[in-house]
Amino acid sequence: KAGVTQTPRYLIKTRGQQVTLSCSPISGHRSVSWYQQTPGQGLQFLFEYFSETQRNKGNFPGRFSGRQFSNSRSEMNVSTLELGDSALYLCASSFGTSGGSQYFGPGTRLTVL
Amino acid sequence: QKEVEQDPGPLSVPEGAIVSLNCTYSNSAFQYFMWYRQYSRKGPELLMYTYSSGNKEDGRFTAQVDKSSKYISLFIRDSQPSDSATYLCATTISNFGNEKLTFGTGTRLTIIP
Repeated sequence: KAGVTQTPRYLIKTRGQQVTLSCSPISGHRSVSWYQQTPGQGLQFLFEYFSETQRNKGNFPGRFSGRQFSNSRSEMNVSTLELGDSALYLCASSFGTSGGSQYFGPGTRLTVL
Repeated sequence: QKEVEQDPGPLSVPEGAIVSLNCTYSNSAFQYFMWYRQYSRKGPELLMYTYSSGNKEDGRFTAQVDKSSKYISLFIRDSQPSDSATYLCATTISNFGNEKLTFGTGTRLTIIP
């Protein structure tokens, strides 16, 4: 079974721009979660989607948004990029029901100049 | 104070040694505990998933949970150079796959041949 895939793997943007990252979950998984990983803060939860609905949200500003499509694929968008948004953005998928574990993709490394 | 504290290391041990990695947590609501391994430029990979206090063994890996002390550990026996990675502890409130994971900052481990 194929794992979680994320595109693109690397991205360089400048301050003020916006960016869209994509995640394809493991086949059959309906829940997709997004995390930001930085050296200083570690892994921090952004939000989680299940059946196209956001069920859970972390403590990030509104510039960070996401959506999920009917095929469970998910995108996250960051608008008005800031230098501090430079990070590894990780997507994790799970069945979204009791007993599930989250499986991570390789991440998208975003650099904001 | 972070909800999950983890010694960042780095930790270097000779091949064949027993490795002990530890985390403490502050929130009694945390009931499920995981250990992830993350190689450089990769996403975290789930190693162990536990609920009950006590030990859970999987090959060379043993996860230990002490809910009374809010202390979790991962032991690696007969350590190999391929075990060199960053190890992240994580915890969550429920076993629904959608629940956000709260991570420790990770311990960087190097096994010296």
